[in-house]
Amino acid sequence: GAVVSQHPSWVICKSGTSVKIECRSLDFQATTMFWYRQFPKQSLMLMATSNEGSKATYEQGVEKDKFLINHASLTLSTLTVTSAHPEDSSFYICSAIGQGPSYEQYFGPGTRLTVT
Amino acid sequence: AQSVTQPDIHITVSEGASLELRCNYSYGATPYLFWYVQSPGQGLQLLLKYFSGDTLVQGIKGFEAEFKRSQSSFNLRKPSVHWSDAAEYFCAVGLNDMRFGAGTRLTVKP
Repeated sequence: GAVVSQHPSWVICKSGTSVKIECRSLDFQATTMFWYRQFPKQSLMLMATSNEGSKATYEQGVEKDKFLINHASLTLSTLTVTSAHPEDSSFYICSAIGQGPSYEQYFGPGTRLTVT
Repeated sequence: AQSVTQPDIHITVSEGASLELRCNYSYGATPYLFWYVQSPGQGLQLLLKYFSGDTLVQGIKGFEAEFKRSQSSFNLRKPSVHWSDAAEYFCAVGLNDMRFGAGTRLTVKP
């Protein structure tokens, strides 16, 4: 089956620094990738949608200058949390869909970000 | 705007008992409906999906769900729960703008 990986799986950074999270589709080409945020014991909230080679589309209320998304290739999307603050601590999950008629989002295992 | 409601935050069932997790949706057109399971430390796994056709959908791990348009529901069922089914379950609606329910945490008693 289609596999999506995320790196790192867990990161701790200091307040004010930036951190980059990678999302890769390992065995398929992802035309579209999604980034979600999940708070403890809560649901997934869609942050943004990215298509390869174009700018990401952000959901209302998501700061695009804070959460930089780059989908440079059909197998890689990155989320950079800039000038991180403790309130950015969360679980970030990416997903990807491939080409073809069968629509299914394949989810990565998530990245836990802790900002101290 | 589309939305999903999972009324039950936490459900506890005994191993071997039947299970039903509720999901109600609000969607402007024909909904694309999904059920995912999330285990600690693991990514979301798709259990089943409904796009069209037969309203009773069979999924993996012995799960099934029934789409009822008149009730705007897509409840997940399993006839006999196993201890390994303990996890968080999410109902979702939509395609490129997928919206998730709040989730239902399933605890399985021995």
